[in-house]
Amino acid sequence: AQKVTQAQTEISVVEKEDVTLDCVYETRDTTYYLFWYKQPPSGELVFLIRRNSFDEQNEISGRYSWNFQKSTSSFNFTITASQVVDSAVYFCALSGGDSNYQLIWGAGTKLIIKP
Amino acid sequence: ETGVTQTPRHLVMGMTNKKSLKCEQHLGHNAMYWYKQSAKKPLELMFVYSLEERVENNSVPSRFSPECPNSSHLFLHLHTLQPEDSALYLCASSQDHSPLTDTQYFGPGTRLTVL
Repeated sequence: AQKVTQAQTEISVVEKEDVTLDCVYETRDTTYYLFWYKQPPSGELVFLIRRNSFDEQNEISGRYSWNFQKSTSSFNFTITASQVVDSAVYFCALSGGDSNYQLIWGAGTKLIIKP
Repeated sequence: ETGVTQTPRHLVMGMTNKKSLKCEQHLGHNAMYWYKQSAKKPLELMFVYSLEERVENNSVPSRFSPECPNSSHLFLHLHTLQPEDSALYLCASSQDHSPLTDTQYFGPGTRLTVL
C-alpha cells in the first residue's frame, strides 16, 4: 500500500529563517511521482513541484528547494530566507501504479512565518 | 478567467436544501476531479471525470451527485446533506486522466456549511 507521512503537524519560525518540511513515502512501485502543493489561507491548492522516481536530482526554484532521496524514501522541501507570505499548509503527495489514478496525500504541515 | 474557478466560494445550507457547486477550468484539460477537505483529515477524492465520463466514484453517498456536461465544466449537486458534510470542496483538473504523469491544478474551493 502507498502512504505519505508528514510528521510535522505545525512549524513556526521567524521570518528570514530557513525551514525544512519533511515528507516520507511508502510505495512498492518502481515508477511513481511525488508532488508538493501549497495551500494558503485562501484555500486554493497551488502546485509547486512534480518529481518522477527516476530523477533524483535536487531541484531549486528561487527560495524553494527539494531534496529527493530514494534511499530514505524522502522528498523534503526547504524554504530559504522564509517570508510571511510563505505561511500556508504544505502538502506532499504521491501517485503510482498501486494507487491507480489517485493521489495519495500527506496530512499536511502548517507553516507559520512570524514577522 | 484563468485556471480553475469555483462558485460559490462560500455556501451555507440547511439539511433539506438543494444546492449546486460549480467548477470551470480554462486550461483545456480533459479530466476533472472533486475533492472533499475536512478539518484534520487528508484530502478525499470524491469523483473523477475523464472526457466527460465518470471514471471513479469513491464510495460517496448518493446525496452528492456530480455532473460533467463538457470537459470544461463540473458540477456537484447537493441534497439532504448532513452537518458532517460541512467541509471545503475542491475542484481540480488535469490534462488527461493519468496520475503518473499529470499534474492536477486546483480551484479555490467552496466552503460549505450545513446547518
